[in-house]
Amino acid sequence: EVQLVESGGGLVQPGGSLRLSCAASGITVSINYMSWVRQAPGKGLEWVSLIYSGGSTHYADSVKGRFTISRDNSKNTLFLQMSSLRVEDTAVYYCVGASGYLYWGQGTLVTVSS
Amino acid sequence: DLVMTQSPLSLPVTLGQPASISCRSSQSLVHSDGNTYLNWFQQRPGQSPRRLIYKVSNRDSGVPDRFSGSGSGTDFTLKISRVEAEDVGIYYCMQNTHWPLTFGGGTKVEIK
Repeated sequence: EVQLVESGGGLVQPGGSLRLSCAASGITVSINYMSWVRQAPGKGLEWVSLIYSGGSTHYADSVKGRFTISRDNSKNTLFLQMSSLRVEDTAVYYCVGASGYLYWGQGTLVTVSS
Repeated sequence: DLVMTQSPLSLPVTLGQPASISCRSSQSLVHSDGNTYLNWFQQRPGQSPRRLIYKVSNRDSGVPDRFSGSGSGTDFTLKISRVEAEDVGIYYCMQNTHWPLTFGGGTKVEIK
């Protein structure tokens, strides 16, 4: 059974930083492409970032230069390092893994507020 | 960026009746490899999204055959042949042909 468990969310002030983690089981983060997708409260889905098995990365324009996606193959864990956070980054952040099927975690809430 | 426009915003449906959701992209979703990377996702209340359809018309494993996808180029449709109570939720189209990947705004399906 595939499980993706996000952690690291919380309350942070504007301009602050946060690192999200996604612990994977049943799917190998290094050989499948992994993404982060977010959903602001009461709003729709927004793709944030993707990392391919080869290591190449892509970002939404809204987070480019502020967020960094990475992975630790030894821990089978995906990360999202978020810096210069803005109020509009407030959202539930989902970890998504692609291995033929698309697997979603339950999400972790990030609240950016003073 | 490429814009995905869904309609309607809200879709009240009678149980057992069909439903149809439209998704239009601001540019063609045909990839240089010949494939069209258009997906449909369902998000039930309080749950994480799940993909129903990939590459326009391919159903994911476990998705009931009352769901079908069609379309080409810039115009796509998700159809539910007979709506059931468990189909209540928000449906999103998403393209992964062009960077950055983009979702439609969502269509809320509810029971009349």
